[in-house]
Amino acid sequence: GENVEQHPSTLSVQEGDSAVIKCTYSDSASNYFPWYKQELGKRPQLIIDIRSNVGEKKDQRIAVTLNKTAKHFSLHITETQPEDSAVYFCAATLNSGGYQKVTFGTGTKLQVIP
Amino acid sequence: NAGVMQNPRHLVRRRGQEARLRCSPMKGHSHVYWYRQLPEEGLKFMVYLQKENIIDESGMPKERFSAEFPKEGPSILRIQQVVRGDSAAYFCASSPVFRDTGELFFGEGSRLTVL
Repeated sequence: GENVEQHPSTLSVQEGDSAVIKCTYSDSASNYFPWYKQELGKRPQLIIDIRSNVGEKKDQRIAVTLNKTAKHFSLHITETQPEDSAVYFCAATLNSGGYQKVTFGTGTKLQVIP
Repeated sequence: NAGVMQNPRHLVRRRGQEARLRCSPMKGHSHVYWYRQLPEEGLKFMVYLQKENIIDESGMPKERFSAEFPKEGPSILRIQQVVRGDSAAYFCASSPVFRDTGELFFGEGSRLTVL
């Protein structure tokens, strides 16, 4: 089955700096890669996603890149703010027997220091 | 359009009791996923259901855990004879049937504490 590895597990940055979180996946059939943000005690919520036919996608301060050949994708947050502090999960998704099978990374706890 | 609804939000049980967690997917969604999240850990897949069918239960412990999604009513995750190690947040997520692959919409979670 699919295996998703995520690094680092914790990340501290100064406010205004950039943060980068990296994920690798194992199954080349995965074709959809969402990123979820989970604030303390809250539910995970989608912040950005990318499909396998695209190499990069940007939405304001966040961007995601995908390298299908190397099977890795990354989340980039620029000009970090304290409200960016949360746990971020990457995921790899594939269509398996008619339904989507989603495998999450282990999460990155981001702390933005004011 | 109401989001994914989970209840109870918090549940306390003593060892050996049963826990029942309920999930109503978003309107128009017929696919339900259950995930378990231990403190300070990631989201572990447990089971995937469609109406009246368990499609993939590869992440669910073989004993004491069961799930259903009846034709009418919410999906239910049932944990029998709970133990302290079952203490966790249990998240339900739903997705629409017509999407090949796409966003999962999560509920607020049910936090189970076993005394």
